Amino acid sequence: DAGITQSPRHKVTETGTPVTLRCHQTENHRYMYWYRQDPGHGLRLIHYSYGVKDTDKGEVSDGYSVSRSKTEDFLLTLESATSSQTSVYFCAIQGGTSTDTQYFGPGTRLTVL
Amino acid sequence: AQKVTQAQTEISVVEKEDVTLDCVYETRDTTYYLFWYKQPPSGELVFLIRRNSFDEQNEISGRYSWNFQKSTSSFNFTITASQVVDSAVYFCALTSNFGNEKLTFGTGTRLTIIP
Repeated sequence: DAGITQSPRHKVTETGTPVTLRCHQTENHRYMYWYRQDPGHGLRLIHYSYGVKDTDKGEVSDGYSVSRSKTEDFLLTLESATSSQTSVYFCAIQGGTSTDTQYFGPGTRLTVL
Repeated sequence: AQKVTQAQTEISVVEKEDVTLDCVYETRDTTYYLFWYKQPPSGELVFLIRRNSFDEQNEISGRYSWNFQKSTSSFNFTITASQVVDSAVYFCALTSNFGNEKLTFGTGTRLTIIP
């Protein structure tokens, strides 16, 4: 157990509304990641963080922003949600039992109507 | 660019049969890590194994074994004597960004074990 929680676990929202997903870790890991999982695509990296206030884009970053003001929290924001952002979102940390391995949170299922 | 291909979208086998999940990868880097993750019906992602590119020894863990072959760029996963609890989606992943392991995932193989 890498001590990762995600909130909310499920959310339904409407197109055009802002949405923020939270990832919280309890073990002070430096690297944190946001992925989205879609059928036929596996998991794709949205953004990642390598420290407080240090973030960078991943493969599918358009329409998303992130913030990390504390080591333990990594926030993913959809400024204006679109139906194409309906997905399952996973947060991950690097570290734990195996330092070069990513461990994932339980996921957030987001539906944009 | 890196790429991971899991050509088997879905596999069904009868319980107690052996099954192999294929993973083929592409990378220009000489140093990299390969991973397998399991996603059971409950939805969480469970880490199974990490293998680095310098270590081509096969690994066995109980009913699970992994065959890493650099010559064919493959990292295949075999479940021996499959059980219903093995039913899940299995993902293969690759990284060569050491220190910051940005993972490239395959599209996954859905394995169904029929009782």
